[in-house]
Amino acid sequence: GQQLNQSPQSMFIQEGEDVSMNCTSSSIFNTWLWYKQEPGEGPVLLIALYKAGELTSNGRLTAQFGITRKDSFLNISASIPSDVGIYFCAGRNSGGGADGLTFGKGTHLIIQP
Amino acid sequence: GAGVSQSPSNKVTEKGKDVELRCDPISGHTALYWYRQSLGQGLEFLIYFQGNSAPDKSGLPSDRFSAERTGGSVSTLTIQRTQQEDSAVYLCASEIAGGVETQYFGPGTRLLVL
Repeated sequence: GQQLNQSPQSMFIQEGEDVSMNCTSSSIFNTWLWYKQEPGEGPVLLIALYKAGELTSNGRLTAQFGITRKDSFLNISASIPSDVGIYFCAGRNSGGGADGLTFGKGTHLIIQP
Repeated sequence: GAGVSQSPSNKVTEKGKDVELRCDPISGHTALYWYRQSLGQGLEFLIYFQGNSAPDKSGLPSDRFSAERTGGSVSTLTIQRTQQEDSAVYLCASEIAGGVETQYFGPGTRLLVL
């Protein structure tokens, strides 16, 4: 099946630093999604990307849909303690349903005050 | 609340026992997904329900796993003869069919098989 490689696996940063994480795929996706999961909770959608080359922001978060359709990155600027959590990328193909919905293994973000 | 709810929050069981996990999706959402999240891993798709269509069971890891969705709403995931490797967080998500790719996740059920 399709594989998503998400990196880094974990990040230890100081409060106020910028963060960058990315996902690459061996195959094309039509949609890229970024989720955040906090302890004891389910993932929450942060940003959805629908077009190759699209750059979308949500507050301090910015994500881009790679032009090749095989990659995406997420940046967090000026990190704060509540940014701590696990960030997942997910790729999806048109038609909805379960086909093409693939998750990366997550990036654990730890922020030191 | 109006979100996806799951029960129980935590379940500890003995190897060989059967367990049932429940998901209440958001009202009006016709699509429902079950995922498994093992420690340090991403989400592994298990099964997908869409309206009255036959479910997509392609992600179920073995015939010990089954799920049903009654009346197009509540879903139950059943694991028979549990094994220690079944220990994981089981997440449910619902979505408006043909929607904007927004799956809403429940808080999950943490299953520990001793």
